[in-house]
Amino acid sequence: QKEVEQNSGPLSVPEGAIASLNCTYSDRGSQSFFWYRQYSGKSPELIMFIYSNGDKEDGRFTAQLNKASQYVSLLIRDSQPSDSATYLCAVKGYSNYQLIWGAGTKLIIKP
Amino acid sequence: ETGVTQSPTHLIKTRGQQVTLRCSSQSGHNTVSWYQQALGQGPQFIFQYYREEENGRGNFPPRFSGLQFPNYSSELNVNALELDDSALYLCASSRSGSSDEQYFGPGTRLTVT
Repeated sequence: QKEVEQNSGPLSVPEGAIASLNCTYSDRGSQSFFWYRQYSGKSPELIMFIYSNGDKEDGRFTAQLNKASQYVSLLIRDSQPSDSATYLCAVKGYSNYQLIWGAGTKLIIKP
Repeated sequence: ETGVTQSPTHLIKTRGQQVTLRCSSQSGHNTVSWYQQALGQGPQFIFQYYREEENGRGNFPPRFSGLQFPNYSSELNVNALELDDSALYLCASSRSGSSDEQYFGPGTRLTVT
């Protein structure tokens, strides 16, 4: 059974601090890794994707991938109250057509 | 906004009934994936359609079926509704059958009573 694990939270972070969200996956053949943000009652919104080991930065967001440890993370710098949401990690294998999703981490940014 | 639309927004059905949900993909996308998301859970993959053919299916019973049309819009049909089918149904479109970079519509909230 291919699994993606996330801490459900809530993770509470002061405004302006760095929020760190983590995700582990069980399938060593996984090739593509995605972070989605989901506000309450809304659909998931793609934030970032990463395919290679290392860091990928996009504005205040940095995705980090370590395939040897089967670990992917998302850092949010200068956290804002509008970043308060559930963050979903999704993983796809090389020949798979489907995304495997974690249950999400609820992030709360305190003003 | 992703350009992916879904209808209806909300729906209330009775156990045993049938329901059809609709999705229009983003311009330039030929692949549609359907997901079921229960409260507090991540999306669960139902199936994917690529160029009008089912390209893969998750662990859902046959009473969940779908279609994709020549314009790449799609339908999800659920027969013999059960209480556990109450969920947010999400449609996501992507540029190809590889499913990378999926963009979601707003979802349909289905309540089965």
